[in-house]
Amino acid sequence: QVVLTQSPSASGSLGASVKLTCTLSSGHSGYGVTWHQLRPEKVPRYVMKVNSDGSHNKGAGIPDRFSGSSSGAERYFTISSLQSEDEGDYYCQTWDTGIQVFGGGTKLTVL
Amino acid sequence: QVQLQESGPGLVKPSETLSLTCTVSGYSISSDYYWSWIRQPPGKGLEWIGTIYHSGSTFYNPSLKSRVTMSVDTPKNQFSLKLRSVTAADTAVYYCARDVSGAYPDNWGQGTLVTVSS
Repeated sequence: QVVLTQSPSASGSLGASVKLTCTLSSGHSGYGVTWHQLRPEKVPRYVMKVNSDGSHNKGAGIPDRFSGSSSGAERYFTISSLQSEDEGDYYCQTWDTGIQVFGGGTKLTVL
Repeated sequence: QVQLQESGPGLVKPSETLSLTCTVSGYSISSDYYWSWIRQPPGKGLEWIGTIYHSGSTFYNPSLKSRVTMSVDTPKNQFSLKLRSVTAADTAVYYCARDVSGAYPDNWGQGTLVTVSS
C-alpha cells in the first residue's frame, strides 16, 4: 500500500516562497498526488493535482502563485509571495485501485 | 457551483451507530463523479473513509470496512455514511466531498464534529 510522507511543519516570511514536499513510498514513484488546504473556520480546499512528470492542474480559483512540480518520488507544492491567508495545514493525497491515502500533513506558518 | 453540507447528530454513544448525511446542491449526484467521506480526529491528520458512485459501487478504507456502509439517495441528491460500533477513537470532524473518478476530492463540505461519548 502506498504511503505518503510529509514534514510536520514549515514556515516562511510574508512575501517569501516556501516549498512543501510529499514523498511517495518505495515502488510508487510513478503516482500523482493532489494537495489540499485546510484552514481554521474555512471549508477545506482542493489546490492542485501534481503528476509524476511535474505537470499540474489547479482547482478553481487557485492563485497563480501556487504551483506544483515533481522529482523522482517527491511531489512539491510551492507558494510564492506568501500571504497571511496561506497559513494552515496542507495535505497531499493519492490513490491506488480505489483506495485513497493522505499524508500526515504539513502545518505552514507565515512569519 | 457544487456545495456539500453534512448533517447528523453531534453526539453518539459508544457502541452505537454514527449516521451522517451529505446534501449536495448545485450538481446532480447522478453525474459522472464519485462521492466521499473523510474524517479528521482532533489534533490528527485526514483519514479517507470511503467513496461511492451513484450506481451504488463502493470503496472503503480497509481499516474501517467491517464497520462502514455508504449509500446514495439520488431523488434527494444526498449520500450517507453509517459507522457501526463506534468508540472514542471515532470522534472526529467528518467531511463529505465530491470525488473525481474515485481518485481524489475536488470539492469539500465544511465538516461536522461528531463526538463519541456516553
